[in-house]
Amino acid sequence: SQKIEQNSEALNIQEGKTATLTCNYTNYSPAYLQWYRQDPGRGPVFLLLIRENEKEKRKERLKVTFDTTLKQSLFHITASQPADSATYLCALPNYGGSQGNLIFGKGTKLSVKP
Amino acid sequence: GAGVSQSPRYKVAKRGQDVALRCDPISGHVSLFWYQQALGQGPEFLTYFQNEAQLDKSGLPSDRFFAERPEGSVSTLKIQRTQQEDSAVYLCASSLLPQYFGPGTRLLVL
Repeated sequence: SQKIEQNSEALNIQEGKTATLTCNYTNYSPAYLQWYRQDPGRGPVFLLLIRENEKEKRKERLKVTFDTTLKQSLFHITASQPADSATYLCALPNYGGSQGNLIFGKGTKLSVKP
Repeated sequence: GAGVSQSPRYKVAKRGQDVALRCDPISGHVSLFWYQQALGQGPEFLTYFQNEAQLDKSGLPSDRFFAERPEGSVSTLKIQRTQQEDSAVYLCASSLLPQYFGPGTRLLVL
């Protein structure tokens, strides 16, 4: 079955630096991969989706890459700000289940220090 | 417009009690999902509705868990005879791609 590993539970960086979060999966390569942000006491919020035929996707200060050979996605936040502090979740479709059935990683808690 | 709403936001139940958690999806969204999120973990899929049809309930952990969406809009997740291991945040999401999540219901079973 598919498993997702997000490289670290916590990542602490200084304001202004680039945060890089890693998502590795173990089995089949999905047609797409998603990144969500979750703040304490709230539900996940969708950030970006990248498809298997896309190498890179950008949205403002966010960049996602997808390497199906390495079975890995990298999520970058450039010029990070304290407001970027949150848990970031990687998710991909569970092909053993129904359409929309997502498998999530445990998340990486990012702390951006001023 | 209004997002996904869930109620109650917090629920404390005694072991053995039945609970009902409500989800109001974004108006017009056909797809609705329920997830369970334990502390420090990512959300885990429970069940999926397309309109009023429950197309996938493979993630429901036991037959104590039951979900319905009788008119294809509001959905209710019911847990019978709650156990301590049911303590978690229950998230509802609507839309297929991407999914829009509600704030969740935090359930604590004592």
